[in-house]
Amino acid sequence: GQNIDQPTEMTATEGAIVQINCTYQTSGFNGLFWYQQHAGEAPTFLSYNVLDGLEEKGRFSSFLSRSKGYSYLLLKELQMKDSASYLCAVVDSNYQLIWGAGTKLIIKP
Amino acid sequence: DSGVTQTPKHLITATGQRVTLRCSPRSGDLSVYWYQQSLDQGLQFLIQYYNGEERAKGNILERFSAQQFPDLHSELNLSSLELGDSALYFCASSVGREDQPQHFGDGTRLSIL
Repeated sequence: GQNIDQPTEMTATEGAIVQINCTYQTSGFNGLFWYQQHAGEAPTFLSYNVLDGLEEKGRFSSFLSRSKGYSYLLLKELQMKDSASYLCAVVDSNYQLIWGAGTKLIIKP
Repeated sequence: DSGVTQTPKHLITATGQRVTLRCSPRSGDLSVYWYQQSLDQGLQFLIQYYNGEERAKGNILERFSAQQFPDLHSELNLSSLELGDSALYFCASSVGREDQPQHFGDGTRLSIL
């Protein structure tokens, strides 16, 4: 079967750095997405990785290792508004998006 | 503003009833996706349409159906509603058939009493 694993919940301190991991086992791979979702709101696109390596976009970076079936989202200089759920999703061989259950990130002052 | 419009924003109804949720995709997008998200749960993919044709089907119950019209707007019909159908229903759109949903609507919150 297809499976995406993320931690259920993480806590971090304002101003710090946090890394949210995602491991996947899917039938084929055509890219990996990270989305941010505040409670009760729509998901918003953060990043897309299809090749190995690190993609940096401001305070957020996303890393992919296809051989390990692994990705992480790195958030720097955490702000209170970063409190949200972070969703990892993988595009399989049929170009279907397989979603993880999301990681709830709690930022403390 | 994602450009994806969903109506209504909120819907309250009773068990056994039928409702229709509407979605207008972002201008130029031909694919529409429907998702269900129950409280504190992940996104559950329901169905995708591309240019009027069903392209992919996920965990969509037989009581649910959808269609995409020639003007590319889509409707999700939910019938014989049960308490467990209470959820946020999101619509998303993208340009191509095999693109991924990058633009989400604000969702319709469905409450079954």
